[in-house]
Amino acid sequence: SAVISQKPSRDICQRGTSLTIQCQVDSQVTMMFWYRQQPGQSLTLIATANQGSEATYESGFVIDKFPISRPNLTFSTLTVSNMSPEDSSIYLCSTSGLAGADTQYFGPGTRLTVL
Amino acid sequence: AQSVTQPDIHITVSEGASLELRCNYSYGATPYLFWYVQSPGQGLQLLLKYFSGDTLVQGIKGFEAEFKRSQSSFNLRKPSVHWSDAAEYFCAVGMDYKLSFGAGTTVTVRA
Repeated sequence: SAVISQKPSRDICQRGTSLTIQCQVDSQVTMMFWYRQQPGQSLTLIATANQGSEATYESGFVIDKFPISRPNLTFSTLTVSNMSPEDSSIYLCSTSGLAGADTQYFGPGTRLTVL
Repeated sequence: AQSVTQPDIHITVSEGASLELRCNYSYGATPYLFWYVQSPGQGLQLLLKYFSGDTLVQGIKGFEAEFKRSQSSFNLRKPSVHWSDAAEYFCAVGMDYKLSFGAGTTVTVRA
């Protein structure tokens, strides 16, 4: 399975600012995914990011709030824009490998607190 | 509507006792099924998965799960729990390369 790292591991941000979270994979992968885990909750898929195309967002998530980049087969970023305390969550990226298989492996997550 | 249900929010088990976590799904077809574990402050680790074939699946850390099509269930079991098994456990369903997660079950292990 791929080894996935995320930066930063945690951050405390002020309301109205933006934070960009990086996700790095140690091998080339086709699909990368971004999830949000609100406090005490399960994971919710934000979007799917394929290299060379626009990210596909799930219902309730929009590009203006969560812009995503996917410049190559090993890297992706998620930006949380114009943050409010409701954005305080753990953000996780995952990947299913180069072949686009159905098993997803997750990064360690970024714990975001918005004051 | 498609859904994944984990009926038990919190389970407390004694160390050395057996553990069973329930998962039910509601999908039009048989999806891919997964169990993940999240230890405090950690990301998600894949315990096991079911795609097809033998309905009893072995995973890491001594866990196993059984797929029962007639009950739309994929319950996770471990014969003897260790204190390090205290964590949050998530059942997930995969369709079209996307995962939908259950609400999770928190497992507490008492000495």
